[in-house]
Formats: sequence, C-alpha cells, structure tokens
Amino acid sequence: EAQVTQNPRYLITVTGKKLTVTCSQNMNHEYMSWYRQDPGLGLRQIYYSMNVEVTDKGDVPEGYKVSRKEKRNFPLILESPSPNQTSLYFCASSLSRDAYEQYFGPGTRLTVT
Amino acid sequence: DAKTTQPNSMESNEEEPVHLPCNHSTISGTDYIHWYRQLPSQGPEYVIHGLTSNVNNRMASLAIAEDRKSSTLILHRATLRDAAVYYCILRDWGNAGNMLTFGGGTRLMVKP
Repeated sequence: EAQVTQNPRYLITVTGKKLTVTCSQNMNHEYMSWYRQDPGLGLRQIYYSMNVEVTDKGDVPEGYKVSRKEKRNFPLILESPSPNQTSLYFCASSLSRDAYEQYFGPGTRLTVT
Repeated sequence: DAKTTQPNSMESNEEEPVHLPCNHSTISGTDYIHWYRQLPSQGPEYVIHGLTSNVNNRMASLAIAEDRKSSTLILHRATLRDAAVYYCILRDWGNAGNMLTFGGGTRLMVKP
C-alpha cells in the first residue's frame, strides 16, 4: 500500500532533549516536506526537500533540522526542543515539486514540557 | 500569496449533495485551486484541483466561476465518512517549496 509513515505518533519530552521524528514513503517520491499544525494557524511548512541531499527552509524553520540521505526517508530533528515546538507534525511527499497531489502522513503529536 | 475565504462550518444530511464554497478574489492567472480535506486524527488528503474548467473525479466535483474569483467543491452524496475539515488552497506554481498554505477551512458535519 502506498503510504507515508511517521514515527513516533505521540511523543512527550522535556525541554532540551534532542529528538528525531522519522518519515518514510514507499512511493519513490522525489519531493518531501514537513509541516506543523497549530490551532488558529493552520499548517505551516517547516522544511522541504526536492531530492536526495537537497533541502531548503519553509516558512518556520527555526529550531528544526532535516536531512535527506535516502530518497524514501526525511527525518525531522529537534536538537534542543522548547515548549513552543509543542505541535502536531505532518510529513508529506509528492512525485515531484510540481506534482499536484501531495500525500500526508498520519501525524506526530509532540509535547515539550 | 492570494488568500481564500471559506465558511467556518457547514452541516449536511447523509446521502444529500453538499456544496462547499470558497472565495478567492485576489487569485492570479497562474494559481491553481486545490482542495484537501482532513479527517479527524488524520493527515490532510488531496481531493481535487483545477485551473479554469470544472473538474470531476471519483471523490468530488469542482466548479470554478468564470472570473475565477470563487469556486465550489461538490460532494454528490455525503456520507458520514465525509465529515472533515475541507481546505481550499491556491497553489502558486512559482512557489519553489511546493508549499500548500492551509487556511482555516470549513468543518463539514454530516448528520445521519
């Protein structure tokens, strides 16, 4: 089944403790991105990647890192999480940057205390 | 980016058609109109998109006004599974990040 998977689905952590949220797609998509969803603010793009080893900042990149060493994986790294990064995170992928349909993962709910 | 305006919520009866409106009066000539929906506790899901002409697919129809300043997503027979937040998004193909700008959306409630 074609899908985008994220792990973990739920995470509670403390300020400053490095964490990684993994994202993987099995559709051989070139383009992948990360969004965060907050009440009243909609979904905002954090980072995106047009292909392996090519990443760029979205609208709200501060406090996040990403890497794209393989086509299928696009992990989101929080080196020193803070409470304002408490949010619902979605990974998305599409065949290419210009593809009209993006596929979203199920989401990761992160709480930073 | 051009903005969209949607009603906060709408209600429908099961098995009846639903028309979800979207206003985008500042749309530019190269903006595509995309619709996504987000079911409870899930990630957004692509529904349909169009540029100028009306579009149909297995999920829905998209009716685009002649001046492109508004559009309507049509669900022909609402089911309980269609209860979701529906987002109308203008996609700027010049956007390097292929970013989708999600606004508040319309929360559709379907009554049995």
